[in-house]
Amino acid sequence: NAGVTQTPKFQVLKTGQSMTLQCAQDMNHEYMSWYRQDPGMGLRLIHYSVGAGITDQGEVPNGYNVSRSTTEDFPLRLLSAAPSQTSVYFCASGGVAGAEETQYFGPGTRLLVL
Amino acid sequence: AQSVTQPDIHITVSEGASLELRCNYSYGATPYLFWYVQSPGQGLQLLLKYFSGDTLVQGIKGFEAEFKRSQSSFNLRKPSVHWSDAAEYFCAVGATADSWGKLQFGAGTQVVVTP
Repeated sequence: NAGVTQTPKFQVLKTGQSMTLQCAQDMNHEYMSWYRQDPGMGLRLIHYSVGAGITDQGEVPNGYNVSRSTTEDFPLRLLSAAPSQTSVYFCASGGVAGAEETQYFGPGTRLLVL
Repeated sequence: AQSVTQPDIHITVSEGASLELRCNYSYGATPYLFWYVQSPGQGLQLLLKYFSGDTLVQGIKGFEAEFKRSQSSFNLRKPSVHWSDAAEYFCAVGATADSWGKLQFGAGTQVVVTP
């Protein structure tokens, strides 16, 4: 298993550009999420999904879109990048929680918006 | 609204000494509590979780945490730290046992381990 993979690892954008951050998992997990991490603020939830075709907003959804057409993939789209979206983005996935289950995080995408 | 507070932004501890990281939460119902560790440049790894039952939870890497409902706390402890424990630690709360997708995180505590 590759676990949770994210691409790209690092990206520089200009204000107003759009891009898609890719996230994929090969563990057949139902739950997938996107978080952003900013210094001193921990991780904040952007969007999450409880299964293919089902998504919902988290704490900081503005400026981001998601879709979940397959169980494996959960891309995050920045429609018009702004400097405030400079951050490290983490994708996570998890199955039905239980004593033996855990949640897996990807390695992150570092985004710089100029 | 639920919230998670980690009062200590930064902790320095000597190798071999004990470590305790504080976490306080605010939530109306019984919370589901998690501790994660993030090594430099890495993603997050789950150390342990509390859903119900025994209030003392054992995790990986020799860590344990104790849930105290009366104090709304879920503090993380390790009896003897190793240099490899230097990392940032995050406490998180979820509304339900299967709320993997909707965790609320504290701001984190940076742990530095000195020789």
